[in-house]
Amino acid sequence: QITLKESGPTLVKPTQTLTLTCTFSGFSLTTRGVGVAWIRQPPGKALEWLALIYGDDHKVYRPSLESRLTFIKDTSKNQVVLTMTNMDPVDTGTYFCAHRQSDNDAFDVWDQGTMVTVSS
Amino acid sequence: QSVLTQPPSVSGAPGQRVTISCTGSRSNIGAGYDVHWYQLLPGTAPKLLIYNNNNRPSGVPDRFSGSKSGTSASLAITGLQAEDEGDYFCQSYDSRLSGSLYVFGTGTKVTVL
Repeated sequence: QITLKESGPTLVKPTQTLTLTCTFSGFSLTTRGVGVAWIRQPPGKALEWLALIYGDDHKVYRPSLESRLTFIKDTSKNQVVLTMTNMDPVDTGTYFCAHRQSDNDAFDVWDQGTMVTVSS
Repeated sequence: QSVLTQPPSVSGAPGQRVTISCTGSRSNIGAGYDVHWYQLLPGTAPKLLIYNNNNRPSGVPDRFSGSKSGTSASLAITGLQAEDEGDYFCQSYDSRLSGSLYVFGTGTKVTVL
């Protein structure tokens, strides 16, 4: 059974860096094609994909946010960590991590998400 | 900002059938990329309902079905139930000169009357 659990702050100040950790179980992030993604949802708005890391360590980022995002994995701890620099109030929202299946582009298992508020 | 357009809301009485459209373009759905559908209920993790246009993951009732044609896709819910009330999003992949990315629809709120 695949599970993911996210941890991180619920409040960050403008210009600060957000660090979110996703701890997973039930799969190996060394398998080709398998991946973990970060997705967010501003209040009342649509889902927005941020980044994806594959089992072969290949990373892809949302082009408009690429300069602010860093995604690393620690396979020994079954964790992935996303950092987003220079946080702004428009970055307020619920942040999810999700498992990508190896043979298609769907995200089949998600965590419940963490509400992150950017405010001074 | 979303490149996939959905109706803001649909509603139906219990037992009825509702459909949700997802309209894209030649750089995403029309380019042949698959469409997936998710259900978001308050306080719960998003749930994958349909993958690769018309496939249901194990455990998803057959009341949910998906289809794709041209630059659009649809999700149908038959035998609408109170527990189906929530938000639904389509998702695909978009490939463009400015960079490729996973894209979601604008979202549709389903209300059971």
